[in-house]
Amino acid sequence: GAGVSQSPSNKVTEKGKDVELRCDPISGHTALYWYRQRLGQGLEFLIYFQGNSAPDKSGLPSDRFSAERTGESVSTLTIQRTQQEDSAVYLCASSSRGDRFSGNTIYFGEGSWLTVV
Amino acid sequence: AQKITQTQPGMFVQEKEAVTLDCTYDTSDPSYGLFWYKQPSSGEMIFLIYQGSYDQQNATEGRYSLNFQKARKSANLVISASQLGDSAMYFCAMREGNTGNQFYFGTGTSLTVIP
Repeated sequence: GAGVSQSPSNKVTEKGKDVELRCDPISGHTALYWYRQRLGQGLEFLIYFQGNSAPDKSGLPSDRFSAERTGESVSTLTIQRTQQEDSAVYLCASSSRGDRFSGNTIYFGEGSWLTVV
Repeated sequence: AQKITQTQPGMFVQEKEAVTLDCTYDTSDPSYGLFWYKQPSSGEMIFLIYQGSYDQQNATEGRYSLNFQKARKSANLVISASQLGDSAMYFCAMREGNTGNQFYFGTGTSLTVIP
């Protein structure tokens, strides 16, 4: 597709259940990012993938959160044993590798709205 | 230290007036890029404008311009002739070129355009 695609667009889940969120980046983009945005808040970095390099997981808030990406393709963000504070929009973005002038913006998907009840 | 700081949680501007949204950044990497994004109430993140650390001139895109003051490490967004559709959250972001491709975002500024 032309843009970053995320699914599901909306998910309501019961506390304690596991959820998987999927991101399909723009074709050819080597970098993929996951962010969390709580209602009325800014973007909270979760994890960053760059090609086949080891991902930067420094933003994952707990061991209940994990993400995978194979090569330069689809990524899956998994939240285990969901809690109410996990309710947020989960935004995925992708970009091509920056040149030395650090150009190349990231392009965002429309997000996955997660509600934990 | 915060990589990106936006000190204005909320701003109001009269329609047709200009408004400046503040952004300061912190990096020791000589190669970096600065970005502004708009997030309307619908939630999507819209790229507005980009400034490279080596660019000699301030970036402009239509009614958007970036007031880049490298020595002060500031990258303020100027919106001229505000329109009602400009009401949204605005995020400043930075990408460091030599230390990875991580994007750092500020906490955002909520802009309301008053008719």
